[in-house]
Amino acid sequence: EVQLVESGGGLVQPGGSLRLSCAASGFSFSDYEMNWVRQAPGKGLDWVSYISSGGLTIYYADSVKGRFTISRDNAKNSLYLQMNSLRAEDTAVYYCARVRSSRYFRASDSWGQGTLVTVSS
Amino acid sequence: SSELTQDPTVSVALGQPVRITCQGDSLTTYYASWYQQKPGQAPVLVIYDKNNRPSGIPDRFSGSSSGNTASLTIAGAQAEDEADYYCSSRDYNGISLFGGGTKLTVL
Repeated sequence: EVQLVESGGGLVQPGGSLRLSCAASGFSFSDYEMNWVRQAPGKGLDWVSYISSGGLTIYYADSVKGRFTISRDNAKNSLYLQMNSLRAEDTAVYYCARVRSSRYFRASDSWGQGTLVTVSS
Repeated sequence: SSELTQDPTVSVALGQPVRITCQGDSLTTYYASWYQQKPGQAPVLVIYDKNNRPSGIPDRFSGSSSGNTASLTIAGAQAEDEADYYCSSRDYNGISLFGGGTKLTVL
């Protein structure tokens, strides 16, 4: 059974940093691309970042570019999101998601339960 | 920048068919994926690629595409289908996009 478990969320002051982790199990983690997706309270889904299976290809949403860094450790079956210079608008539940893709689509086929990040003074 | 547009709300009578649409330039090149999200739960993928359902998704869910519009159809809506539905696609620059979501009410 595929399992994705996020951790590292919490309350942080504006301008602060947090590092989110996602522990993967039940599948061959190193074979899969991964996404981070967030959802602000009462709002829709918002894609944050993507990383290829080997970590060589990375994309970011414009809203987080230069502040957030995605990474992975395939030996530890783990995905990370380093978040710096946090703003109130970064407050959200952050999900990690496994990606299924081809030349013509990219879908997140398994999701964790999410970890809440609250940016507030 | 690219974006995906969905109707905010759709209603359907129990047992009737319903279609939820998603419009965007990226959909002329890339297939949409569709997600169902119920309150307090993580999203669940219901349709991906041209019209594929993950294991466990009922066959009343189907997807289609024409031009810049992707559609999710529920053949006969059930009470348990009441949820928020999001479309998603990648764009030409590699980033991913989500639509604003459609709240489906089953009457």
